[in-house]
Amino acid sequence: SAVISQKPSRDICQRGTSLTIQCQVDSQVTMMFWYRQQPGQSLTLIATANQGSEATYESGFVIDKFPISRPNLTFSTLTVSNMSPEDSSIYLCSVWDSYNSPLHFGNGTRLTVT
Amino acid sequence: DQQVKQNSPSLSVQEGRISILNCDYTNSMFDYFLWYKKYPAEGPTFLISISSIKDKNEDGRFTVFLNKSAKHLSLHIVPSQPGDSAVYFCAAKEGTSYDKVIFGPGTSLSVIP
Repeated sequence: SAVISQKPSRDICQRGTSLTIQCQVDSQVTMMFWYRQQPGQSLTLIATANQGSEATYESGFVIDKFPISRPNLTFSTLTVSNMSPEDSSIYLCSVWDSYNSPLHFGNGTRLTVT
Repeated sequence: DQQVKQNSPSLSVQEGRISILNCDYTNSMFDYFLWYKKYPAEGPTFLISISSIKDKNEDGRFTVFLNKSAKHLSLHIVPSQPGDSAVYFCAAKEGTSYDKVIFGPGTSLSVIP
């Protein structure tokens, strides 16, 4: 299965600033997704990162708050903009690398906003 | 509305005994189900899956059972080991092609030595 590297692994940020999270995969994958896990909660899909086009956002998530880039088939970034303490979560990159395969996850980025 | 439910937030089991984690779903269009295990400070790791054309899938100590009429599935771990202590997420999707996966809230399993 694909090996997924996420950076940074954790960060503490000030309210009002932005953080960009990087996701690098060791092989080309068709589908990349960004999930969020708020404290004590389940994993919630933020958006599907589409290569060469705008990301597809789930209900409740907007591009201005969570801009996503995917310049090629192995790399994506998620930016958390104008952060507030409510954005404190684990952000997870995931990929679907082949038909009938399960979703694979990176180790996540633990974000704390003060 | 929560489409995938895990009604037990936590479960404690003695080492060597069976762990049974339960999951219910409401969306009748779901036909592919997955279980993930998550340790603190790590991403979820895929454990086992089952397609709706089956009612059982086994992989070593892990067995998943699916009851489509009841919209219920369960994960059995036999025998349970202390290293199995983690949060287990049930997940579901429509079909086996590329599509978003919906996760349940998770069950925290503690295996007591």
